[in-house]
Amino acid sequence: SYELTQPPSVSVSPGQTASITCSGHKLGDKFACWYQQKPGQSPVLVIFQDKKRPSGIPERFSGSNSGNTATLTISGTQDMDEADYYCQAWDSSAAVFGGGTKLTVL
Amino acid sequence: QVQLVQSGAEVKEPGASVKVSCKASGYSFIGLYMHWVRQAPGQGLEWLGWDSPKSGGTHYIQKFEGRVTMTRDTSISTAYMDLRRLTSDDTAVYYCATGGSSWSEAFDIWGQGTTVTVSS
Repeated sequence: SYELTQPPSVSVSPGQTASITCSGHKLGDKFACWYQQKPGQSPVLVIFQDKKRPSGIPERFSGSNSGNTATLTISGTQDMDEADYYCQAWDSSAAVFGGGTKLTVL
Repeated sequence: QVQLVQSGAEVKEPGASVKVSCKASGYSFIGLYMHWVRQAPGQGLEWLGWDSPKSGGTHYIQKFEGRVTMTRDTSISTAYMDLRRLTSDDTAVYYCATGGSSWSEAFDIWGQGTTVTVSS
């Protein structure tokens, strides 16, 4: 079965750029999306179709996808961005999630 | 804007079944694909499958084949997820989510989650 791999944790200082990767076989041939989840809350879509932002998502969130790796980039990271982030792609009509990355803003 | 409101928390014994509901408002429910995702305590997201707006159309992850059924009642804009033969491993928050009229869209609308606890 298809697998997506994310680093368990990423740390960033406020105002700096955070990058979270998501790796999967030929992931660049699929659309990747990203969800943000804060404790006790439902996930929120922050990037879809590799690099598009839903309405209401700040411009500091951006995405890319090429080869075997999709990347979520948060520029000028703020305290409020501290959360778990999950990548997701479709394989054989099934949604596959990465294991999640805990972003800590130090 | 679609809103999804789920049923309340459930506590079940091992071997029992649970049925979680998800009521949609603010958009035509008829054309929406409805997905179900769960999250065990302290764990990541796990997709269970989708229910198609086309009558009888469903797709479940192989792990849950034979144990899960996803249905809908369009007259009351409500989707259901029925999970049978529960074990402690099924203890999780269950979410309904939708991306719209295609099964392969990203999930831009989520329900608030339903906690299912399986314990004797």
